[in-house]
Amino acid sequence: DTEVTQTPKHLVMGMTNKKSLKCEQHMGHRAMYWYKQKAKKPPELMFVYSYEKLSINESVPSRFSPECPNSSLLNLHLHALQPEDSALYLCASSLTGLAGVVREQYFGPGTRLTVT
Amino acid sequence: DQQVKQNSPSLSVQEGRISILNCDYTNSMFDYFLWYKKYPAEGPTFLISISSIKDKNEDGRFTVFLNKSAKHLSLHIVPSQPGDSAVYFCAASGSSGGGADGLTFGKGTHLIIQP
Repeated sequence: DTEVTQTPKHLVMGMTNKKSLKCEQHMGHRAMYWYKQKAKKPPELMFVYSYEKLSINESVPSRFSPECPNSSLLNLHLHALQPEDSALYLCASSLTGLAGVVREQYFGPGTRLTVT
Repeated sequence: DQQVKQNSPSLSVQEGRISILNCDYTNSMFDYFLWYKKYPAEGPTFLISISSIKDKNEDGRFTVFLNKSAKHLSLHIVPSQPGDSAVYFCAASGSSGGGADGLTFGKGTHLIIQP
């Protein structure tokens, strides 16, 4: 089973709203990721969690706040977003990122976010 | 600066023939390479990967070749089938030695399989 689930599938929010995106995997993976994908562009890395600790933050604005409550769950809290933040937000997981170990990342279906 | 480049935005191949998708990279720290297939409004689906210690990896109809000296990799699909029509992303990661690394993606190649 290589399934990563994400909720909600679609989200429309105003610039003053607070919302959260959720991601879950039950593959025993210890690394989880958030990516952002704009139309006709490749996915871009936002955050990496390794063993439930934030290990990489790609200079993402503070209006995006990640959280990893346990090894299976990853959240992305959204607050005071801008219309240009509208995109497909993808969650991924991998076994670990250690050298010599397979490092395939498995992606969820994404949350299509529209900021109005 | 693009570290992973896919210079062909689209590729059209006849059903049953071989599809060859190319990818170049510039970062010498990359040591693991992956190919993903993506349909619109879906997440990328992992296809095949290769470590920098190998020059070829095969899985069914998919074969990935890596030329480290040229910093070039390619994905061969043979025979091509209509269901292979999708956008294909090349991705790379580097080993940070102790933790997980994110993937750096190319811009993708839209493969169209013609009947």
